[in-house]
Amino acid sequence: AQSVTQPDIHITVSEGASLELRCNYSYGATPYLFWYVQSPGQGLQLLLKYFSGDTLVQGIKGFEAEFKRSQSSFNLRKPSVHWSDAAEYFCAVGAFSNAGNMLTFGGGTRLMVKP
Amino acid sequence: NAGVTQTPKFQVLKTGQSMTLQCAQDMNHNSMYWYRQDPGMGLRLIYYSASEGTTDKGEVPNGYNVSRLNKREFSLRLESAAPSQTSVYFCASSVLAGNEQFFGPGTRLTVL
Repeated sequence: AQSVTQPDIHITVSEGASLELRCNYSYGATPYLFWYVQSPGQGLQLLLKYFSGDTLVQGIKGFEAEFKRSQSSFNLRKPSVHWSDAAEYFCAVGAFSNAGNMLTFGGGTRLMVKP
Repeated sequence: NAGVTQTPKFQVLKTGQSMTLQCAQDMNHNSMYWYRQDPGMGLRLIYYSASEGTTDKGEVPNGYNVSRLNKREFSLRLESAAPSQTSVYFCASSVLAGNEQFFGPGTRLTVL
């Protein structure tokens, strides 16, 4: 079975600083990987996804993530954080079959942004 | 398009009461899902429906039942609510296997 670990429960960065959120996965085959963001009281919104091809993927809101197979990682990055980026971020790995795509989520990383 | 909608947004139940959470999507998606979100545990899959007419258990199905009423609607039922079911419940949908899931705004359920 697949699993996802997000080692950092909370991260605080200053506005304008760079950001990297870590995600490690365990999956027996080539994974499908996702990053979602959840603002307070809201549902989850997809930031970006990796299915195949270029290992550096671009997403919405200026985010990017890099798939590193050798490290089983899919870390999320942003060069300059804005106060509106404060939210909770979830990494997920997909296992797909004819029965449908099953996502396994990490525990989440809560991002706080200092002015 | 409204996307994925859920009702109600909030609900308080007493132990032993029953209720149904409703979910609908207007994106013509084939697959639908129910998750629960608890602090520090991310989202856990309760049940899913790969296509109209099929449902399957996810990671944490005990205490829940589901109905895929039609292609648009997927409901989650708690027959006898327990305090351990206090959580935020999310419904999601996807076109097919291999596509991203789209989430509703959630239902915050408290069981006293």
